[in-house]
Amino acid sequence: DVKVTQSSRYLVKRTGEKVFLECVQDMDHENMFWYRQDPGLGLRLIYFSYDVKMKEKGDIPEGYSVSREKKERFSLILESASTNQTSMYLCASSPTTLSLHFGNGTRLTVT
Amino acid sequence: ELKVEQNPLFLSMQEGKNYTIYCNYSTTSDRLYWYRQDPGKSLESLFVLLSNGAVKQEGRLMASLDTKARLSTLHITAAVHDLSATYFCAAPVTYTGNQFYFGTGTSLTVIP
Repeated sequence: DVKVTQSSRYLVKRTGEKVFLECVQDMDHENMFWYRQDPGLGLRLIYFSYDVKMKEKGDIPEGYSVSREKKERFSLILESASTNQTSMYLCASSPTTLSLHFGNGTRLTVT
Repeated sequence: ELKVEQNPLFLSMQEGKNYTIYCNYSTTSDRLYWYRQDPGKSLESLFVLLSNGAVKQEGRLMASLDTKARLSTLHITAAVHDLSATYFCAAPVTYTGNQFYFGTGTSLTVIP
């Protein structure tokens, strides 16, 4: 079974802090994704990566950056957290265009 | 930009009844995915529909895909309480193949 592990289930940060959300997958998948989920808006793609050191912007990349130094790990960085980044963050991986495998999510609150 | 629209957004149905959730998408995607999300949990893959006319069934849920109409349906037969969840459809962007767009979800509540 594919396992996608997000390092934190709940996170509370202050405005202006730099925040790291970590995601690790154990199935050697090429593609990894970061989504945020907000009520009424569904899932919106922030960034994705199709290979080590490669990244592509999704629909809402502003205020975020990503890092993929190793195939199994994809990090989402909030350079200076703001209250409008309070959300559920979901990491996912996939081998090709087959279905996504999601982590358990990180609920981030920025105060 | 690929748009994926689901309806209804909220669905309250009685146990034993049938209903259909609709998913329309705006470009020529040749595949469609359905996911389920329980409250406070992550998304779980339900169905992967890979071609026009594809039909998949699992228990009381059946999903189908019509790529010409750009429409997928998720049909619920004789609903039970355990099916209460939020259901999402997702379509990949064909030219990249690895970027998925999600609908806003259908929140299903099955009442006794």
